[in-house]
Amino acid sequence: AQSVTQLDSHVSVSEGTPVLLRCNYSSSYSPSLFWYVQHPNKGLQLLLKYTSAATLVKGINGFEAEFKKSETSFHLTKPSAHMSDAAEYFCVVSSVSGNTPLVFGKGTRLSVIA
Amino acid sequence: DTAVSQTPKYLVTQMGNDKSIKCEQNLGHDTMYWYKQDSKKFLKIMFSYNNKELIINETVPNRFSPKSPDKAHLNLHINSLELGDSAVYFCASSQVSGPKYGYTFGSGTRLTVV
Repeated sequence: AQSVTQLDSHVSVSEGTPVLLRCNYSSSYSPSLFWYVQHPNKGLQLLLKYTSAATLVKGINGFEAEFKKSETSFHLTKPSAHMSDAAEYFCVVSSVSGNTPLVFGKGTRLSVIA
Repeated sequence: DTAVSQTPKYLVTQMGNDKSIKCEQNLGHDTMYWYKQDSKKFLKIMFSYNNKELIINETVPNRFSPKSPDKAHLNLHINSLELGDSAVYFCASSQVSGPKYGYTFGSGTRLTVV
């Protein structure tokens, strides 16, 4: 069985300050991990993915995440928040073999204050 | 060109009606999915089809019936709509060998049952 826990339902940061969205996962298999972003009333966009290659993964719009097996974590970071980053962020797990569907976390709403 | 397209984008209907949501992908992917996003933004898989064959059927009421005429299309038909069916429904697709690389999602269909 696979699951993800997003540790914060809401994170608020000031524009220009760092962003940290936390995610812990549980997986019976070697995991594939993803972060998706959903802007208000929009669809889901893939930010970045980890599929057993480099543990530090760089994504779009300056976001990156680090896979830490010992901590079963895959936290999302960005050095400097922009107003346009305000959205819902989902941490997602699947298996490296790809034979299980994506399982979503409950989401973290990121607010960016001017 | 839109990779995964859903129609309609918005659907408002009365309880007891039957409605369909259509999904088409032009990515050449083998596998398609339906996810439901509830009012708390939680995304849960409903169905998965691989090359027109049902491979995942989560605990979903029998009133929901997916139909895949070919591997590029996965439609969702809902009978006897209930208030609790109000949600955003997302279609997605992936390569059969590539779910570990993530899915491509459509922009969603917001269903409101009144």
